[in-house]
Amino acid sequence: DAGVIQSPRHEVTEMGQEVTLRCKLISGHNSLFWYRQTMMRGLELLIYFNNNVPIDDSGMPEDRFSAKMPNASFSTLKIQPSEPRDSAVYFCASRPTGWAGELFFGEGSRLTVL
Amino acid sequence: DQQVKQNSPSLSVQEGRISILNCDYTNSMFDYFLWYKKYPAEGPTFLISISSIKDKNEDGRFTVFLNKSAKHLSLHIVPSQPGDSAVYFCAARGRETGNQFYFGTGTSLTVIP
Repeated sequence: DAGVIQSPRHEVTEMGQEVTLRCKLISGHNSLFWYRQTMMRGLELLIYFNNNVPIDDSGMPEDRFSAKMPNASFSTLKIQPSEPRDSAVYFCASRPTGWAGELFFGEGSRLTVL
Repeated sequence: DQQVKQNSPSLSVQEGRISILNCDYTNSMFDYFLWYKKYPAEGPTFLISISSIKDKNEDGRFTVFLNKSAKHLSLHIVPSQPGDSAVYFCAARGRETGNQFYFGTGTSLTVIP
C-alpha cells in the first residue's frame, strides 16, 4: 500500500511568492496532521484535521499560512506571501479512523525561501 | 513552549555498546509516549511506544522506560548498530490535548563502527 505522499519534495522560491504544499493521505485514514521541522523547535504541529474538519490550528504561525482538506484523501498547506524564515521541512502525517496511536508520516517537503 | 524536551542534540556511541536517549516532558496529563526514528531525506517512522500504565516496553534491541514521577522517558538500544544512526524524536500525547502528539527537538545518534 502507498504511504502518505507529499509534493513537491523540494521547493525553492523567492520571498513574497505563494507556496502550496500537497499531501495525499493513506486510504482509510481520516486524521491529517501538518508538522514543520526546524532545528530550534524540532517537529512543530501546525494544524490537524479530523474527518476533513480542522480541529486545532493554534500552531499555524501567522495568517500567511492556511490549510485545507477539500476531501477525505487530500490536503494543501499554503503560504502567501512566503518569507525566508518559513524555510523548513514540512511533514504531513495521517492516522487511521478510530486509531489514537502512532502517526504515519510522508517524506516531507523541503522549502527554501530566498 | 516546549512540552516535550530532548536536551541532548547529539550522541555518539561505539558499535555494540548501549545507546541511551533521554526525553523529558512537562504535562502530567500525557498518557502515551512514542519514539520515532528519522533518516536524512525521509519522514519519521514509528519505532516503539509506551502507555502511562506501564514503566517499560521492550521490542527486540529497543526498550523504552517511563518514569512518571520524574516526567522522564528514555530509549535504550542494545547492542547499537551503525544502521541505528539517525535522528530520534520522542513524542507525547494526552487525551485533553485532543490526541495530538507533541514532539521533542530530536537527538542525532551516530553509531561508530
